[in-house]
Amino acid sequence: EPEVTQTPSHQVTQMGQEVILRCVPISNHLYFYWYRQILGQKVEFLVSFYNNEISEKSEIFDDQFSVERPDGSNFTLKIRSTKLEDSAMYFCAGRQGTSYEQYFGPGTRLTVT
Amino acid sequence: QQQVKQSPQSLIVQKGGISIINCAYENTAFDYFPWYQQFPGKGPALLIAIRPDVSEKKEGRFTISFNKSAKQFSLHIMDSQPGDSATYFCAARQGGSEKLVFGKGTKLTVNP
Repeated sequence: EPEVTQTPSHQVTQMGQEVILRCVPISNHLYFYWYRQILGQKVEFLVSFYNNEISEKSEIFDDQFSVERPDGSNFTLKIRSTKLEDSAMYFCAGRQGTSYEQYFGPGTRLTVT
Repeated sequence: QQQVKQSPQSLIVQKGGISIINCAYENTAFDYFPWYQQFPGKGPALLIAIRPDVSEKKEGRFTISFNKSAKQFSLHIMDSQPGDSATYFCAARQGGSEKLVFGKGTKLTVNP
């Protein structure tokens, strides 16, 4: 069964540094998402991406964040200048065009020191 | 309005028992209600989902009950097993929106 994959599984970075989190969605998915989960808390929506553009974003997704699908297979989340409060699990998700079902990847744990 | 309130925060059930987790919402524009199961260090895995035109949906040992008038929905896990021990999240999607709004989660422990 196809799965969403994410790399790296754990990223440690210093405050102010740029990070890029990578995802390979399921091949027949058309809609892509990033969510984050601060340790012990609920999953929060960051952004949705469809047809090579952002379709919706939350108030968390400010100018420090950007997303890209550079080559038709990878889907990336960039944080330009990381803050301590960006430390969280970041999940990529996707869905087909015919269903609301969103399938999540295993996540990248981002630790900002 | 955009919140989904989930209870209980934690639940301990004996093997073979029924686990029941409840969620409530205010936004009547929500039109899709999934449940996710999450094991420590893993991503949320879609378990079962329901649309508001159906009052109940069953898949194996997992059942969603949906009460549109009360704006509540619940997950029932029949014959709970130790392998079901995980955190369960309810979520909701508003028509026309892409985002899922998640509840705060319920940590289920099934004792052998």
